[in-house]
Amino acid sequence: DAKTTQPNSMESNEEEPVHLPCNHSTISGTDYIHWYRQLPSQGPEYVIHGLTSNVNNRMASLAIAEDRKSSTLILHRATLRDAAVYYCILKQGGSEKLVFGKGTKLTVNP
Amino acid sequence: DGGITQSPKYLFRKEGQNVTLSCEQNLNHDAMYWYRQDPGQGLRLIYYSQIVNDFQKGDIAEGYSVSREKKESFPLTVTSAQKNPTAFYLCASRAWTGLINYGYTFGSGTRLTVV
Repeated sequence: DAKTTQPNSMESNEEEPVHLPCNHSTISGTDYIHWYRQLPSQGPEYVIHGLTSNVNNRMASLAIAEDRKSSTLILHRATLRDAAVYYCILKQGGSEKLVFGKGTKLTVNP
Repeated sequence: DGGITQSPKYLFRKEGQNVTLSCEQNLNHDAMYWYRQDPGQGLRLIYYSQIVNDFQKGDIAEGYSVSREKKESFPLTVTSAQKNPTAFYLCASRAWTGLINYGYTFGSGTRLTVV
């Protein structure tokens, strides 16, 4: 399974943008990049996913490097409710499996 | 509102007993999944099902069993053969066409403790 590398933790201030990086140097052509976030004792919540082009939705933006070996999840204005563990996951196009790493714990300061 | 319902939220099991965790979805999703999460770790896939009456083993299927008799339901049985069952169990679902890559919807989880 292709692996991702994320920082263990990051901090941000409320109402400031947050850029969460993810390295995936062994990504293959059919791997989608998924981002999920998880609050303690809750199930993960889907944030965004993409293949090659940058993606935007109401929660966040996903910027994918041209060589696809890294990506960045962008929260445009962090709120206290955005404090969570964020997982960057590669999902093979023909596979049903999400391979979760340990993720990045985001702390948002008021 | 559509979503995934897992029950119970907390479950205690005596050693040697089988227990069944419930997962129901009203999203009309084709595929359903069971994951296990241990403290401080990511999720690991136990079983998944893409259509009714069919399911596949994931990475850690030993000691677990599932059924998929209805599209909406995907119960997980933790058998006495599972050596270390204490964990947080998460059910997920996804619309599946085989061609389009959709995101996953997760339930709120069941915390199983062996006493």
